[in-house]
Amino acid sequence: EAQLLESGGGMVRPGGSLRLSCAASGFTFDDYGMSWVRQAPGKGLEWVSAINWNGDRTGYADSVKGRFTISRDNTKNSLYLQMNSLRDEDTALYYCVRANFGGADSYYHSMGVWGKGTTVTVSS
Amino acid sequence: ENVLTQSPGTLSLSPGERATLSCRASQSISSNYLAWYQQKLGQAPSLLIHGASSRATGIPDRFSGSGSGTDFTLTISRLEPEDFAVYYCQQYDSSPLTFGGGTKVEIK
Repeated sequence: EAQLLESGGGMVRPGGSLRLSCAASGFTFDDYGMSWVRQAPGKGLEWVSAINWNGDRTGYADSVKGRFTISRDNTKNSLYLQMNSLRDEDTALYYCVRANFGGADSYYHSMGVWGKGTTVTVSS
Repeated sequence: ENVLTQSPGTLSLSPGERATLSCRASQSISSNYLAWYQQKLGQAPSLLIHGASSRATGIPDRFSGSGSGTDFTLTISRLEPEDFAVYYCQQYDSSPLTFGGGTKVEIK
């Protein structure tokens, strides 16, 4: 069974940094594109960033472009999100998500497997 | 950015009734790269429909998706108690990938 386990969330002051990690298991990690999706308290879903299977194609929401960096290590079956210059509005539950289908070269995908999320709180 | 607008915001129905949820895109979505998700309270979302009309693995046939271009619909033919939740549409035709604002299906 495919599973995703996020870690690295926590409380940080505005302007600070955090690095989220996602450990994947139960599937061939380097076959799939991956995304980070966030959900602010009481709000809807917001796509944050995505990466294709080998890491050479990435995309970002305008709200995080230039501040966040997505990466992956296929040797460790892991996905990462480096978050810098954090703002109050980045406070959310961050989900690690696997593409529904593997084998695609782009990072555009529907989202077939979701982790339980890790909470990021940005507050002074 | 392709903005997805879901309507209604809230749908109040009884078990056994039919639910019709709408997702309208600001730009045409090619190849029907439109998905639907269900999110129950306190849980992560789960995929229901991809490619506008293909049910994900294990999804019961009371859920169906239709539409093309800019107008898409999720239909739940007969609501079961476990179907009361929030539903989101998402397009993966262009970057940035975008979600609709969600439709809450609540018990009347």
